[in-house]
Amino acid sequence: DSGVTQTPKHLITATGQRVTLRCSPRSGDLSVYWYQQSLDQGLQFLIQYYNGEERAKGNILERFSAQQFPDLHSELNLSSLELGDSALYFCASSGRTGGYEQYFGPGTRLTVT
Amino acid sequence: AQSVSQHNHHVILSEAASLELGCNYSYGGTVNLFWYVQYPGQHLQLLLKYFSGDPLVKGIKGFEAEFIKSKFSFNLRKPSVQWSDTAEYFCAGTGAGSYQLTFGKGTKLSVIP
Repeated sequence: DSGVTQTPKHLITATGQRVTLRCSPRSGDLSVYWYQQSLDQGLQFLIQYYNGEERAKGNILERFSAQQFPDLHSELNLSSLELGDSALYFCASSGRTGGYEQYFGPGTRLTVT
Repeated sequence: AQSVSQHNHHVILSEAASLELGCNYSYGGTVNLFWYVQYPGQHLQLLLKYFSGDPLVKGIKGFEAEFIKSKFSFNLRKPSVQWSDTAEYFCAGTGAGSYQLTFGKGTKLSVIP
């Protein structure tokens, strides 16, 4: 158990819908990262937040957005969902030890039908 | 552009065989390198990391990796694999001052009892 929690574990929704994925980082970690894992694209970095502020953006679609709240939990919002958005979405956190290593949550499996 | 590549898509070994999984990176300047393991149905776990110093790093579960700067490589090794090592292995890297992990496509390891 990495100490990073994600909810829900599974999510099935229809095209055009909007969903919110939630992540709680390890105690003491200030940074939260979101990654998407799909069969064709592999693991891709989406976005990073540090202590409530956006720090870095990767291959994140405009239909996707994220935020980090004062209690440091983060939410990833996916809207106007398409079939191709079906993937595993991982959250990771870092910072407690001051190093670069990231600790991953169990992921949310999103299926868009 | 920064990239990480893994040579083998799927490796099949018998128990007690030695393992070496290849990883090459393309980064300018300082690089931080990681190996993560994903057991079936589970989240990514950090196996080992290299930031600087001794190029031979030891991780958990008897794994080690060697950073060879001249070859831009960071190969993962284990002298004797067990059935429980069956998993997918991901090499990842970040550049200096960056926390965004760039992942390789992953290598699936199957260990036959």
